[in-house]
Amino acid sequence: EVQLVESGGGLVQPGGSLRLSCAASGFTFSSHWMAWVRQAPGKGLEWVANIKQDGSEKYYVDSVKGRFTISRDNAKNSLYLQMNSLRAEDTAIYYCIRDGGAYWGQGTLVTVSS
Amino acid sequence: DVVMTQSPLSLPVTLGQPASISCRSSQSLVHSDGNTYLNWFHQRPGQSPRRLIYKVSNRDSGVPDRFSGSGSGTDFTLQISRVEAEDVGVYYCMQGTHWPKTFGQGTKLEIK
Repeated sequence: EVQLVESGGGLVQPGGSLRLSCAASGFTFSSHWMAWVRQAPGKGLEWVANIKQDGSEKYYVDSVKGRFTISRDNAKNSLYLQMNSLRAEDTAIYYCIRDGGAYWGQGTLVTVSS
Repeated sequence: DVVMTQSPLSLPVTLGQPASISCRSSQSLVHSDGNTYLNWFHQRPGQSPRRLIYKVSNRDSGVPDRFSGSGSGTDFTLQISRVEAEDVGVYYCMQGTHWPKTFGQGTKLEIK
């Protein structure tokens, strides 16, 4: 059974940093693109970043470029999102997904507030 | 960015009746590889989204056959042949052809 389990969310002040993790199981992690998608409270879905199987290609939505970094560790079956210079508008549930959206984690809530 | 426009945004439906959601993109979603990367997702309150349809018309495993997807180019439709109580929630279309991948605003389906 495919499982994606996010962790690392929480309350952080504007300008602060947070690192999200996603533990994957039930499939060959190194064979799939992975991504982060977020959803602000009561709002729709926004694709944040993508990473290729070997980490050689990464794509970011403009609103997070230069502040967020997606990475992966195929030996640990794990996906990460390093978030720096956080803003109030980054407040959202962050979902780890296997690219294409076939599988989603339960999400982890990031709240940026003073 | 490719803008995905869904209609209607609110969809009250009687149990057992059909429902249809439209999704239009601001650019053609035909990829250079010949595929059209248009997916449909369903999100129940308090839950993660679930993919229903991928590449316009392919149902994901376990998705009831009352759900169907169609369309081409810039114009796509999700149809539910007979709405059941478990179908309530928000439906999103999403294009994966162009970066950044983008979602529609969502269509909230409720039972009348």
